Amino acid sequence: ETGVTQSPTHLIKTRGQQVTLRCSSQSGHNTVSWYQQALGQGPQFIFQYYREEENGRGNFPPRFSGLQFPNYSSELNVNALELDDSALYLCASSLRAAEAFFGQGTRLTVV
Amino acid sequence: DQQVKQNSPSLSVQEGRISILNCDYTNSMFDYFLWYKKYPAEGPTFLISISSIKDKNEDGRFTVFLNKSAKHLSLHIVPSQPGDSAVYFCALGTGANSKLTFGKGITLSVRP
Repeated sequence: ETGVTQSPTHLIKTRGQQVTLRCSSQSGHNTVSWYQQALGQGPQFIFQYYREEENGRGNFPPRFSGLQFPNYSSELNVNALELDDSALYLCASSLRAAEAFFGQGTRLTVV
Repeated sequence: DQQVKQNSPSLSVQEGRISILNCDYTNSMFDYFLWYKKYPAEGPTFLISISSIKDKNEDGRFTVFLNKSAKHLSLHIVPSQPGDSAVYFCALGTGANSKLTFGKGITLSVRP
């Protein structure tokens, strides 16, 4: 059974650019959630996808968008990057139960 | 507004002793409560959970206690081991597979 994997692990982008982060969910898990963790803070919910449909969204602007594919993998897209978008982005998968299993995260730095 | 509070940013305990990590919340709609452990450069790892119909759940060295009237959650680790040194987050949800609201985390250091 493979766990949650995220790619890339690190990347550096320039303010104003766009970025796509990827997540492969744990085998059999049909729900993927994305979180942003700023330095010294707990993870903050961005949005969740269940069977390819958005199933809840946190307090993030529309330039944060996502997709879930038929194999339940997912993408997080961020447009018009700002310096404050620098953070660890975490993907979590679950099976309609509250125990979410997290990937190792993608460290995004916006300069 | 901070719905989930972990008021102590750090805790240091001696190996073999008990570690008690606390978490307070304000929203009585939360009905599922989880603890995660996080090492540097890794994602959070699920440790233990409890639903609102219970007041205690035990798994090996880890026990979670829930006091709904006080809106208080705690994680007990006994005996503590140096490998337990990490950041611990409480995370709360409403209903099955809802979004999780995390606290800021507590850094636990277990001294050999």
